[in-house]
Amino acid sequence: AQSVTQLDSHVSVSEGTPVLLRCNYSSSYSPSLFWYVQHPNKGLQLLLKYTSAATLVKGINGFEAEFKKSETSFHLTKPSAHMSDAAEYFCVVSPPNAGNNRKLIWGLGTSLAVNP
Amino acid sequence: DAGVIQSPRHEVTEMGQEVTLRCKPISGHNSLFWYRQTMMRGLELLIYFNNNVPIDDSGMPEDRFSAKMPNASFSTLKIQPSEPRDSAVYFCASSLEAQLGLGYTFGSGTRLTVV
Repeated sequence: AQSVTQLDSHVSVSEGTPVLLRCNYSSSYSPSLFWYVQHPNKGLQLLLKYTSAATLVKGINGFEAEFKKSETSFHLTKPSAHMSDAAEYFCVVSPPNAGNNRKLIWGLGTSLAVNP
Repeated sequence: DAGVIQSPRHEVTEMGQEVTLRCKPISGHNSLFWYRQTMMRGLELLIYFNNNVPIDDSGMPEDRFSAKMPNASFSTLKIQPSEPRDSAVYFCASSLEAQLGLGYTFGSGTRLTVV
């Protein structure tokens, strides 16, 4: 069975400081992994994805994530936070395209606050 | 491309009334998903379609909920009768089946309030 755990429900950083949002997954096979971002009262936007290519994945808005199989982690980072980064972030795992299984497994989300 | 289009953006209705949410997927996408988001339960997959056929509706909470996809460019989610506990944001998403591993594109959602 697959699962995904976002280790922090809330993260607060100061503008200009690094961002680290942590995600661990459990999967019996090599999954696809995603980070989605949801700004207040907005829809969900794909930030970046890992699909068994390079383990360091670069996404939009300066975010990146590193897939570490040995640690079953897929943490999201950004060197310098911007006020516009304040949002809810979701770590997501996808099973391989086997049969009719199309269900993404969603983490509960991490709320990122950026202080001036 | 205009992306996934959902309507209405906001819906306020009285308990017992019928509610219909609408979704237009991205042209060419053949997989469509309906999600519900609440503070208590987070994001829940309600149902998904592949080539207009419902594949898995195990997430539909009860018989009051129904979803249809009469053609490749339109889907509806209906709640009848609506109850206050149905209040949530409902998202529609679409994808190419062959590219499911690359993620979905979500609509902006419909915020439903049942009073």
